[in-house]
Amino acid sequence: QQQVKQSPQSLIVQKGGISIINCAYENTAFDYFPWYQQFPGKGPALLIAIRPDVSEKKEGRFTISFNKSAKQFSLHIMDSQPGDSATYFCAASKEGAAGNKLTFGGGTRVLVKP
Amino acid sequence: EAEVAQSPRYKITEKSQAVAFWCDPISGHATLYWYRQILGQGPELLVQFQDESVVDDSQLPKDRFSAERLKGVDSTLKIQPAELGDSAMYLCASSFDPHQETQYFGPGTRLLVL
Repeated sequence: QQQVKQSPQSLIVQKGGISIINCAYENTAFDYFPWYQQFPGKGPALLIAIRPDVSEKKEGRFTISFNKSAKQFSLHIMDSQPGDSATYFCAASKEGAAGNKLTFGGGTRVLVKP
Repeated sequence: EAEVAQSPRYKITEKSQAVAFWCDPISGHATLYWYRQILGQGPELLVQFQDESVVDDSQLPKDRFSAERLKGVDSTLKIQPAELGDSAMYLCASSFDPHQETQYFGPGTRLLVL
């Protein structure tokens, strides 16, 4: 069962443009929503994260928008740069007996053209 | 900056052979995770360790996969026998404890089974 659905699978944006990636989740028990960035040949690295008690979080050019009622959240990359070209994964987790277990979306490959 | 180390980075093996991957987490991190990432998909948790104990191996194909973390530091993931469908990136991640939400990923081992 795919609990976190991510779209689009890929996108191309011009330098300076806005990249938008969307995720939808099913499990209302999820209470932590991180985005990970992965460059080719590297492991994923945490980019930004949000909890459901806020609707938006901004860190530099990266913003998460969160809609609890719709069970959706999105990543906006403002003023996209060629160095932002990577694969982005949304994820969700909930606190359990074994700690926080991350469930990842399928990923979005972003290409920023100069 | 401390990093999660993994080896080998690449492994090519033939079907029915045995293969092993090694992971050294960030020093002091008690929680260690092994993920499998099929090309074009997000990482999926295979097994989670807390110190030397397995706390979640519900998604580990136990007929052919095994994992150990004997001294609660580094870990080995083994596949025997390997099957064509095992071709994937195997990622190791660690966190200070299971309740720390940020997981730090290593660069992964890319496995190709012929």
